Amino acid sequence: GAVVSQHPSRVICKSGTSVKIECRSLDFQATTMFWYRQFPKQSLMLMATSNEGSKATYEQGVEKDKFLINHASLTLSTLTVTSAHPEDSSFYICSARLGQDIYEQYFGPGTRLTVT
Amino acid sequence: GEDVEQSLFLSVREGDSSVINCTYTDSSSTYLYWYKQEPGAGLQLLTYIFSNMDMKQDQRLTVLLNKKDKHLSLRIADTQTGDSAIYFCAERAGANNLFFGTGTRLTVIP
Repeated sequence: GAVVSQHPSRVICKSGTSVKIECRSLDFQATTMFWYRQFPKQSLMLMATSNEGSKATYEQGVEKDKFLINHASLTLSTLTVTSAHPEDSSFYICSARLGQDIYEQYFGPGTRLTVT
Repeated sequence: GEDVEQSLFLSVREGDSSVINCTYTDSSSTYLYWYKQEPGAGLQLLTYIFSNMDMKQDQRLTVLLNKKDKHLSLRIADTQTGDSAIYFCAERAGANNLFFGTGTRLTVIP
């Protein structure tokens, strides 16, 4: 089946630093990837949609200058949390869509970010 | 806007059937999904159903869709301890967006 990986799985950083999270589709090409954020005991919230070769589309209320998304290839999207603060601590999950006509999203294992 | 609701908790005994329910509001949903999330992990797609279907069965999983009532359910037959997890229903509305329910935490009692 389709496999999506994320790296790192867990990261702790100091307030004010930037953190990059990678999302890779391992055995398929993904023209579209998605970034979600999940707070403890809550559902996933879509942050942005990342299309290969173009600018990401951000959901309302998500700061694009704070959460930089780059989808440089058909198998890699990155999310950079810039100038991280403790309130950015969360579980970040990416997903990749398999093709245009197959409405299936495959999720990565998530990255737990803790900002101290 | 879209609203997807689930009950938060469900406990069943091992070997019994589990039924997890979900209601949604967007009548234009094309696909509806069930995902499983184990502790500290990402989401695993369990199954999905197209909106013109009433039922889909896949091994121990049965999905029922009542489009009139906008009600989706997931039945897990012969529930095992390994089925303990959080189950999210999600609806696709539009080309790109998935809207997730609040998740139902299933606890299987040995």
